[in-house]
Amino acid sequence: DVKVTQSSRYLVKRTGEKVFLECVQDMDHENMFWYRQDPGLGLRLIYFSYDVKMKEKGDIPEGYSVSREKKERFSLILESASTNQTSMYLCASIPRGVWNEQFFGPGTRLTVL
Amino acid sequence: GENVEQHPSTLSVQEGDSAVIKCTYSDSASNYFPWYKQELGKRPQLIIDIRSNVGEKKDQRIAVTLNKTAKHFSLHITETQPEDSAVYFCAASINQAGTALIFGKGTTLSVSS
Repeated sequence: DVKVTQSSRYLVKRTGEKVFLECVQDMDHENMFWYRQDPGLGLRLIYFSYDVKMKEKGDIPEGYSVSREKKERFSLILESASTNQTSMYLCASIPRGVWNEQFFGPGTRLTVL
Repeated sequence: GENVEQHPSTLSVQEGDSAVIKCTYSDSASNYFPWYKQELGKRPQLIIDIRSNVGEKKDQRIAVTLNKTAKHFSLHITETQPEDSAVYFCAASINQAGTALIFGKGTTLSVSS
């Protein structure tokens, strides 16, 4: 079974703090993704990575950055957290190849006060 | 940019009825169209997908149809059961390999017994 884990289920931070969300997958997948999920807005792609040290912007990259130093780990960074970044953040991974299922992590609910 | 519109946003049916969710996409290069189901408090999971060279695909009570000319695709659930109650997301690929996806905003399906 593919396992995608995220470092925290719930996180509370203050405005202006630097926030790190970690995602780890154990299936040697090349591709990893970060989404945010908000009621009525669905899943919006923030960034994705198709290899170590590679990254691509998704739909809503503003205010976020990412890091992929190891194949199994993909980090989402909020340089200076703001209240409008309060959301559920979901990580996903898929292997190399075409048209594969994305395996999602359990999500991190981030609240920025 | 690329966009996926999903309708309706909420759908209530009686057990045993059929349910249809419709999506349209904007990028004519999209070639992969998965559907994900997210039960309350859980992570999204793939339930069915279709590729651009196929018009219809069926898996037991679930079917998906694709009209590439009109850039429409639909999810059909027959003989609905209470355990079908969930949020359903359609998605369209934004790269050739189908690894990066743009999701619709979701449809909350409620099946009452």
